[in-house]
Amino acid sequence: GESVGLHLPTLSVQEGDNSIINCAYSNSASDYFIWYKQESGKGPQFIIDIRSNMDKRQGQRVTVLLNKTVKHLSLQIAATQPGDSAVYFCAERDYYNNNDMRFGAGTRLTVKP
Amino acid sequence: NAGVTQTPKFQVLKTGQSMTLQCAQDMNHNSMYWYRQDPGMGLRLIYYSASEGTTDKGEVPNGYNVSRLNKREFSLRLESAAPSQTSVYFCASSSSGPGFFFDQETQYFGPGTRLLVL
Repeated sequence: GESVGLHLPTLSVQEGDNSIINCAYSNSASDYFIWYKQESGKGPQFIIDIRSNMDKRQGQRVTVLLNKTVKHLSLQIAATQPGDSAVYFCAERDYYNNNDMRFGAGTRLTVKP
Repeated sequence: NAGVTQTPKFQVLKTGQSMTLQCAQDMNHNSMYWYRQDPGMGLRLIYYSASEGTTDKGEVPNGYNVSRLNKREFSLRLESAAPSQTSVYFCASSSSGPGFFFDQETQYFGPGTRLLVL
């Protein structure tokens, strides 16, 4: 079946470096995507979202890129800080399936000082 | 403004026991959701309520019931707990429900309830 997934389960970066977290999706009907951050023992926290009619969207230190041709979504975090250490996961909305939101399992980002 | 609150934070049940997980939001949101999160898996939707007075099944509704008590509160009930229901449960809310306005679909999550069924 179609699903949201992540390329890497873990990512370790040096403080100050840029981080790139990837997400692959296979449902061509998905029209809306969200990135969430989840710190240990806490609920998911919205980071940024993007619609399928966009290729790029920027927030504060974060950028989401959407490549519909290869069904790939990425989250870029600039100047990664220790407070960015968390699990990041993407979610997609299936417009033709009652707008169901499906979530990926997540990538654990560890920032080394 | 507390956002989304959940009670209890932790719970241990024996197989066959029942319990209700409580969720409340103070953001005047119309839509509320219950998810479960299992190790190595993404969040899975159990039930949602697009607006006060309505509830709909999500991806994994079996073994659960919900009540949208009022606009603020959305409870999840396990009538006869099973070990397979051991999980972390998250409640979320959003201004509007699925299919509505783009920026109003952002879901805000509570801190979670960790449930262990023995």
